[in-house]
Amino acid sequence: SQQGEEDPQALSIQEGENATMNCSYKTSINNLQWYRQNSGRGLVHLILIRSNEREKHSGRLRVTLDTSKKSSSLLITASRAADTASYFCATDAHTDKLIFGTGTRLQVFP
Amino acid sequence: DVKVTQSSRYLVKRTGEKVFLECVQDMDHENMFWYRQDPGLGLRLIYFSYDVKMKEKGDIPEGYSVSREKKERFSLILESASTNQTSMYLCASRQGRAEAFFGQGTRLTVV
Repeated sequence: SQQGEEDPQALSIQEGENATMNCSYKTSINNLQWYRQNSGRGLVHLILIRSNEREKHSGRLRVTLDTSKKSSSLLITASRAADTASYFCATDAHTDKLIFGTGTRLQVFP
Repeated sequence: DVKVTQSSRYLVKRTGEKVFLECVQDMDHENMFWYRQDPGLGLRLIYFSYDVKMKEKGDIPEGYSVSREKKERFSLILESASTNQTSMYLCASRQGRAEAFFGQGTRLTVV
């Protein structure tokens, strides 16, 4: 399987705290994306980082990419209860096939 | 507004039935995907299509087939449904390697 892995599998924090989740993947990539899934629904795209980029920001999201370690992290700053969801990383190597990781379940308590 | 529509939100089928899951996108995307989602296993790619009538196996194609006769429609077929195919099925589409857009998912139960 080409599937990557997220770490931790589950994360619980209080509102206002930062949430960090990590993604490891297996093959060299062209880009890496992060998606969010609210319970039982489809996924929504959050951010894309290219293989030649090291860091990218979008609002309260910060993504880093370390291609030498085949890993990425997603940081959500000043978390809100509405950030409660599952978060997935996804990679494409040298085809247009998109491979997802196992996901991190984030619970933000008010 | 971008849209990927899956034909059913919930589906209950009997063991041995032939099951069709339909997915339609309105964005003229080349690439379409079928994933299966199970607790703790994330999204696993079943099949991928990069053009009309073109397909590629994903990580778990066994027991499934696909059809893409028109660019906007990608069908997943369970030739003979089994209880271990009870799962959430997600369809997605994208242009090249840009962001993917997902349907709302089909929760299939095979009894």
